[in-house]
Amino acid sequence: ELKVEQNPLFLSMQEGKNYTIYCNYSTTSDRLYWYRQDPGKSLESLFVLLSNGAVKQEGRLMASLDTKARLSTLHITAAVHDLSATYFCAVDGFYAGGTSYGKLTFGQGTILTVHP
Amino acid sequence: GAVVSQHPSWVICKSGTSVKIECRSLDFQATTMFWYRQFPKQSLMLMATSNEGSKATYEQGVEKDKFLINHASLTLSTLTVTSAHPEDSSFYICSASGLAGEYQETQYFGPGTRLLVL
Repeated sequence: ELKVEQNPLFLSMQEGKNYTIYCNYSTTSDRLYWYRQDPGKSLESLFVLLSNGAVKQEGRLMASLDTKARLSTLHITAAVHDLSATYFCAVDGFYAGGTSYGKLTFGQGTILTVHP
Repeated sequence: GAVVSQHPSWVICKSGTSVKIECRSLDFQATTMFWYRQFPKQSLMLMATSNEGSKATYEQGVEKDKFLINHASLTLSTLTVTSAHPEDSSFYICSASGLAGEYQETQYFGPGTRLLVL
């Protein structure tokens, strides 16, 4: 059974600081997603990582994928209040040996709060 | 970009009634749609996968007779919660992926439907 674990689960940051959210998964997969969820809202797609060594950046967020270590990171640079949200990573089970394309297993989510 | 809509966004119903939630892909053809459930302060759990014209595939522990899924066209899937009870109260989110190219690489999520069963 594919398991996806994030840490930390709660992250309180000061504005301007840097931090990293980690996403570990149990079965090799070369497709991983990062999503953002604001309170009461659905998911917003942030990054799709499709291969080992993939690195993508958008604004103050940068995501990377190491398939050998079964690890993805979401790095936050110089945090601002607008980044406060819950961040989820998700792994496509098909690429982890599953039989059905597109079945996502989500991590627990990391609740990020950025304060002055 | 791809847009997925859900209707209704909010529904409050009495225990024992049935509720239908629609998920539509507005600007692309969705060969596969997924239904997730999210309880407060928890992650998303996949309930079922539906392919156009086929029966849905349910995840372990999800009652297929309670959560009826129909995917009649490439742009519409419906989830019907039959005989809803308070424990079915949750945030239901659908997602869709398409045939090829950009729409195949990722899933596009709907805005979600919040169900409250009294």
